[in-house]
Amino acid sequence: DTAVSQTPKYLVTQMGNDKSIKCEQNLGHDTMYWYKQDSKKFLKIMFSYNNKELIINETVPNRFSPKSPDKAHLNLHINSLELGDSAVYFCASSQDPGGHGYTFGSGTRLTVV
Amino acid sequence: AQSVTQPDIHITVSEGASLELRCNYSYGATPYLFWYVQSPGQGLQLLLKYFSGDTLVQGIKGFEAEFKRSQSSFNLRKPSVHWSDAAEYFCAVAGNSGYSTLTFGKGTMLLVSP
Repeated sequence: DTAVSQTPKYLVTQMGNDKSIKCEQNLGHDTMYWYKQDSKKFLKIMFSYNNKELIINETVPNRFSPKSPDKAHLNLHINSLELGDSAVYFCASSQDPGGHGYTFGSGTRLTVV
Repeated sequence: AQSVTQPDIHITVSEGASLELRCNYSYGATPYLFWYVQSPGQGLQLLLKYFSGDTLVQGIKGFEAEFKRSQSSFNLRKPSVHWSDAAEYFCAVAGNSGYSTLTFGKGTMLLVSP
């Protein structure tokens, strides 16, 4: 069983569309995250959720809306996609909100054309 | 705010030679430090981490790293590199209290020559 699974693995879409990426973890962790890796491979935190509550939002455009229906799931919805949103998005979970026992998903490569 | 610097964008090492990847961090207290590896098209795999205690940390795949507070460094080492070690390596730092997230360096691409 994959510990942190993301779907889809690849996503190609046109500018202006709305898309979602799903993430599920079966580790029993309380904290989940979304990270973005840009074309230069730079990784940056986007959001952090603890027990379904948003605790960190790193000045991400409000076109990005995370949703956590339960503590095992953290989905990322993106409205009005732009070319600059093309990146690899990684979901992660951690056993504590300090982020000291991370497990990453395998990533979703989003390409906006 | 915490930050991480990886001064080398890419490094080429001969197979069998030793390796050292540099990492410097900025944080007001003792941080939690990590090294991750990312193979092309793959996710992030944790190599090792330092929270406290012995400053020399052993990880997977024969890697080790040493925390040097005086130099604000956490360099990654391996005594003998294998071709399969070619990948992108990321150093990361997290705060040691409260809600914290990983701040990554920009990565070092390791190339292994025959």
